[in-house]
Amino acid sequence: GEDVEQSLFLSVREGDSSVINCTYTDSSSTYLYWYKQEPGAGLQLLTYIFSNMDMKQDQRLTVLLNKKDKHLSLRIADTQTGDSAIYFCAESPHGGSQGNLIFGKGTKLSVKP
Amino acid sequence: GAVVSQHPSWVICKSGTSVKIECRSLDFQATTMFWYRQFPKQSLMLMATSNEGSKATYEQGVEKDKFLINHASLTLSTLTVTSAHPEDSSFYICSARDLSDSRFSGNTIYFGEGSWLTVV
Repeated sequence: GEDVEQSLFLSVREGDSSVINCTYTDSSSTYLYWYKQEPGAGLQLLTYIFSNMDMKQDQRLTVLLNKKDKHLSLRIADTQTGDSAIYFCAESPHGGSQGNLIFGKGTKLSVKP
Repeated sequence: GAVVSQHPSWVICKSGTSVKIECRSLDFQATTMFWYRQFPKQSLMLMATSNEGSKATYEQGVEKDKFLINHASLTLSTLTVTSAHPEDSSFYICSARDLSDSRFSGNTIYFGEGSWLTVV
């Protein structure tokens, strides 16, 4: 079945780069997403990548996709304390035709000053 | 940009009562909305797919008689937790897909702010 795996914790120092990794199983996933969840809040869509792309850059965010290995990563450059949150990787199963997402357990990013 | 709004953000109710949570798409129409549940320190699990004008589709293990979903218009879906019990206490969050967002080929999926339910 569909499954998304992420490491649970990541700790970095302010100004460093953060890299959050994710693996997924559904090869038909058309889009892959990264969401950010701050404490007590909902999900904020950070960025996404279409499955025929290898990389997407959006300001401080860089998404890398290795479709062969079904591996997705999110790199945050110049990480700030305001980036501390839980980051969820999500895949759109069945080619994204239905609109529901399969989420990983989330990676808690802690940024130390 | 498109926004999905949920109400209420926080609700405390007594065991045995029912609670209704609303999910609205504010500037786009959503024929389909999704309801997720998140337990503390866990991921989001899809509960059901809400379809405008028809019955919701529930995921395996989700009691449809307990979690009533109504999608009466293209901008509103409601989730009613009936006869709530403490084990229903959780974070409920909805999402909707903006099919009109051409930047994303109709796959822009937005989430509401979520609703914290505490049953005492």
